[in-house]
Amino acid sequence: EDQVTQSPEALRLQEGESSSLNCSYTVSGLRGLFWYRQDPGKGPEFLFTLYSAGEEKEKERLKATLTKKESFLHITAPKPEDSATYLCAVQTFSGNTPLVFGKGTRLSVIA
Amino acid sequence: EAGVVQSPRYKIIEKKQPVAFWCNPISGHNTLYWYRQNLGQGPELLIRYENEEAVDDSQLPKDRFSAERLKGVDSTLKIQPAELGDSAVYLCASSLDRVGADTQYFGPGTRLTVL
Repeated sequence: EDQVTQSPEALRLQEGESSSLNCSYTVSGLRGLFWYRQDPGKGPEFLFTLYSAGEEKEKERLKATLTKKESFLHITAPKPEDSATYLCAVQTFSGNTPLVFGKGTRLSVIA
Repeated sequence: EAGVVQSPRYKIIEKKQPVAFWCNPISGHNTLYWYRQNLGQGPELLIRYENEEAVDDSQLPKDRFSAERLKGVDSTLKIQPAELGDSAVYLCASSLDRVGADTQYFGPGTRLTVL
């Protein structure tokens, strides 16, 4: 059974304090690993897709990396507007199959 | 480009009452998903459509839940009768059926409260 575990469950950072969120996964065959951001009362907003180990993608203060067993979302010099829940999801080798999500990491950035 | 549209945004009903949710996917997206998200959890798939065909409904509680996607565009998810445990956010997502371009884009969701 495909599983996704995210840690920590919650993270509180001071503005400018860099950190990383972890997503470990167990799947039969990884088609892609997705990162989404979810603000309270809103749907998940797409951030990145990673397809193979060693791949990295960046967007503003966020950088996502992928190994064969886990992915990291690095947040550099975060700002209060980065506060949100970050969801990790995996998709197996069938294309357009449903995403299997982790429970998310709730990030709070304090000014 | 308009995103995934869902309505209503909020719904409060008494248990045993029926309820329906509507979704309009991104134009041109032939794959449509309904997910349910409980508080503090990630979304979980209820049903997936490719065009108008339901290709994965294994997680849909068929005794009370039903869905349709007429003409392969808009979709409706219905619950009848609703139970207390159905309180959750119901998310609709859509994607293109194309390798390398199959990112799922989500709507804002419908928050259902069953009293």
